Parts: sequence; C-alpha cells; structure tokens
Amino acid sequence: AQSVAQPEDQVNVAEGNPLTVKCTYSVSGNPYLFWYVQYPNRGLQFLLKYITGDNLVKGSYGFEAEFNKSQTSFHLKKPSALVSDSALYFCAVRGRGFQKLVFGTGTRLLVSP
Amino acid sequence: KAGVTQTPRYLIKTRGQQVTLSCSPISGHRSVSWYQQTPGQGLQFLFEYFSETQRNKGNFPGRFSGRQFSNSRSEMNVSTLELGDSALYLCASSSDLIAKNIQYFGAGTRLSVL
Repeated sequence: AQSVAQPEDQVNVAEGNPLTVKCTYSVSGNPYLFWYVQYPNRGLQFLLKYITGDNLVKGSYGFEAEFNKSQTSFHLKKPSALVSDSALYFCAVRGRGFQKLVFGTGTRLLVSP
Repeated sequence: KAGVTQTPRYLIKTRGQQVTLSCSPISGHRSVSWYQQTPGQGLQFLFEYFSETQRNKGNFPGRFSGRQFSNSRSEMNVSTLELGDSALYLCASSSDLIAKNIQYFGAGTRLSVL
C-alpha cells in the first residue's frame, strides 16, 4: 500500500527567503506525485504534479518540486517566499492503475513579514 | 467552467441522526472521490466513483456510504452519526480514472455532530 510522510508539522520562513516543504513516499512501482495547498475554510488547490520525465517540476505561483527516486522524496520548493504563501500544504501519491490517492498529514507553512 | 460544488457548506446534527452530503463535479468529469479531513487524522480517503460504480473504498465503517448518479453528481450518506464524525468532508472530481489525472476539490461541507 502506498503512503506519504510529511515530517514537519510546521515550517517557518521569513518573506523573501527560500522555502522547502519535505515529502517522502512509499509506493510499488513508479509513482504519480502531487502537491496541493489549502487556505483556511477552502478546499485543496492543485499546485503541481510529477508523472514522468524531468525530475524538477514547475507549478503554480512560483512553486517547484524535485523528484528524487533514490531517496523516494518529492520536496516542494520556492526560491522566494511570500506572506501570502502561508497555508497548509499536502503531498499526495498515487500508484499506477486504479489506486486511491493517498495524502500526507500536511505541513503548515508560516511566512513572516 | 464551474468548479466542484458541494452542498451544504455547513451542517449541524446530533448523535444518532443521519446526513446526506452532495457533490456536483466539474462538467464533463466522470470520477468523484470523497475525503474526510480532521485535525487529528488529516485527509482520509472514503471512496471513489466512476460512471456510477464504486472503484475504490477506504477504511471506514459501513455507516459511510455513497453513490453516483448518471449525471456524475454524487452523494455520500453517514448514518447513526457519532461525535467523531465531525469533520470537513471534501469532494474531488477528475475527468476519468487515469491515475495521473488531477483531482479538483470543492470547498467542502463542514459537519458538526453534537
């Protein structure tokens, strides 16, 4: 069965600094990997996904993620954080075939001015 | 294109009652998934429907059930409500069952069980 780990409950970063939100996964075979963001009282919004190909994936709002197969990681990054990036971030994995999408527990990102 | 619509947005029920939540997917999407979100457990998968058939099911008791209609709209039902059922219930739609496809989420229904 697939699983996702987000080891940090919260990440604090100052505005303008780079940010990283960590994610590791476990799945049989090649994974499909996703990042979503959730703002208060809202549903999840899609940020980016890794299907195949380049290990560096670029997504919405300047976010990117690096797929590392040997470390089974898919860390979310942004070169320069904004206060408006403060939100709850979820990593998710899905195996090939008719498998369910499994989410991590979420990481709260707090960007201070 | 309208997004995923969930109704109602808020619900207050008492223990022992039952509740039905509704989800209208993005036009043209045939796959609908349901998730339960709580502070302690995070996002837990409930079930996934495609063309009126349940394709995947999570580890929830039989009190949780769902269905999908021919127009792809979906409902989920929780019977004999318990305090622990208080949560944000999220619906997501996707164009089909291909695993690489993005799921688009609604704003959710917040259920409070008193």
